[in-house]
Amino acid sequence: AQTVTQSQPEMSVQEAETVTLSCTYDTSENNYYLFWYKQPPSRQMILVIRQEAYKQQNATENRFSVNFQKAAKSFSLKISDSQLGDTAMYFCAFMIVYNTDKLIFGTGTRLQVFP
Amino acid sequence: NAGVTQTPKFRVLKTGQSMTLLCAQDMNHEYMYWYRQDPGMGLRLIHYSVGEGTTAKGEVPDGYNVSRLKKQNFLLGLESAAPSQTSVYFCASRTSGRKETQYFGPGTRLLVL
Repeated sequence: AQTVTQSQPEMSVQEAETVTLSCTYDTSENNYYLFWYKQPPSRQMILVIRQEAYKQQNATENRFSVNFQKAAKSFSLKISDSQLGDTAMYFCAFMIVYNTDKLIFGTGTRLQVFP
Repeated sequence: NAGVTQTPKFRVLKTGQSMTLLCAQDMNHEYMYWYRQDPGMGLRLIHYSVGEGTTAKGEVPDGYNVSRLKKQNFLLGLESAAPSQTSVYFCASRTSGRKETQYFGPGTRLLVL
């Protein structure tokens, strides 16, 4: 069975600083996708970044980047130059390539950005 | 495009009452999903549909029924609501092309007393 673990229930960071959110996963599969979703107080689920497991290069989207360590089954999210609008719940999620109807979520990390 | 919309945004039910949650998407997506989100947990899949007229069970289907009579709509029904169904419900959809990308609606908060 596939599982996703986010060991940090809450994190905080000062505006303009950098913060890293951790995620580990467990699978015996070799081809899969990993995601970070943001859920602000509005509750809307917003895709932040996506990584294909076959790609060695870490994905980046503006201030958001990941550190993908396939052997260690680790997928951390780095937020640079944190902004107040980054305050949200962040969910790590996993999907096997041949079973794209099963998106497995972690329990989330609540990030608070302070001015 | 409105994307994925959900109706209603919030509802209070008494135990035993029934209701239907509506999800609509205007992106011509083939696949649609219903999830529930509970405190301290990630989203869990209730039911999904791979096309008009089809439905399939997800991880936590008990107590729910779904229908996909039109491609753009996916209905989630609670025939006899229970307090354990108090949750936030999310709908999502995706195209058959970009299999890995699901687009989520804003959620429906349901309270069962």
